[in-house]
Amino acid sequence: GNSVTQMEGPVTLSEEAFLTINCTYTATGYPSLFWYVQYPGEGLQLLLKATKADDKGSNKGFEATYRKETTSFHLEKGSVQVSDSAVYFCALQTGANNLFFGTGTRLTVIP
Amino acid sequence: KAGVTQTPRYLIKTRGQQVTLSCSPISGHRSVSWYQQTPGQGLQFLFEYFSETQRNKGNFPGRFSGRQFSNSRSEMNVSTLELGDSALYLCASSEMGPNTEAFFGQGTRLTVV
Repeated sequence: GNSVTQMEGPVTLSEEAFLTINCTYTATGYPSLFWYVQYPGEGLQLLLKATKADDKGSNKGFEATYRKETTSFHLEKGSVQVSDSAVYFCALQTGANNLFFGTGTRLTVIP
Repeated sequence: KAGVTQTPRYLIKTRGQQVTLSCSPISGHRSVSWYQQTPGQGLQFLFEYFSETQRNKGNFPGRFSGRQFSNSRSEMNVSTLELGDSALYLCASSEMGPNTEAFFGQGTRLTVV
C-alpha cells in the first residue's frame, strides 16, 4: 500500500539555522512526491513537488530531492526565518489522484 | 482567479445530528477531493469526485457521503454525528487526471458536542 513516514516534531530552530525534515515513503508504482505547508488557521499550500526519481523540487529557499533508492524526499532549507514557522506535510500521490500524507512536523523558528 | 472556497468556516453540532459542508473549486477545476484532519489521525482522504462521479473513496464509514454538481461544486454530508467526527475538513480541487496540483481551501472546522 501507500504510506508516508515523516520526522516527528516539534522542531524548534533559531533564525538562520539549517533545516532538515525527514520523509520516507512506501508506494505502489511510481508516485509523485510533495511537501505542503500549513500556516495557523489556514488550509494547505503546496511548497514544492517532484514527479520522478532524481527530480529536485524547490521553492522559497526550500529543496527536496526524490530519491528512489532510499524512498526518501527530505525537506531542507539553508537558513530559516521566523516566517517559516508552520506545519510541514510530506505527501505522495499515485495515479488515483488522492494524496497520502505524513503526520506533519511543526516547525517553530525563534528570533 | 478565486481560490477554493469552503463554507461554513466553523460549525458546532450535537451528537446524532447531521451536517453538510460545501466546497466551491477553482473555476475550471473538475476534480474535488475531501480530507479529514484530526490531531490523532492526521490528514486522511475521504473521497474524490470528478465530473459528478465519485472516482475514489477512502476508508470511512457510510455516514460520510458526498456529491458533486454539474458546476463542479461539491458537498459532503456526515449523518449521525459522533464526537470523533470533530475535525478540520479540507477540500482540494485540481484540474483533472493524475499528478495535477491540488489547491486546498481553508477548511471547515466542525465541532461535535
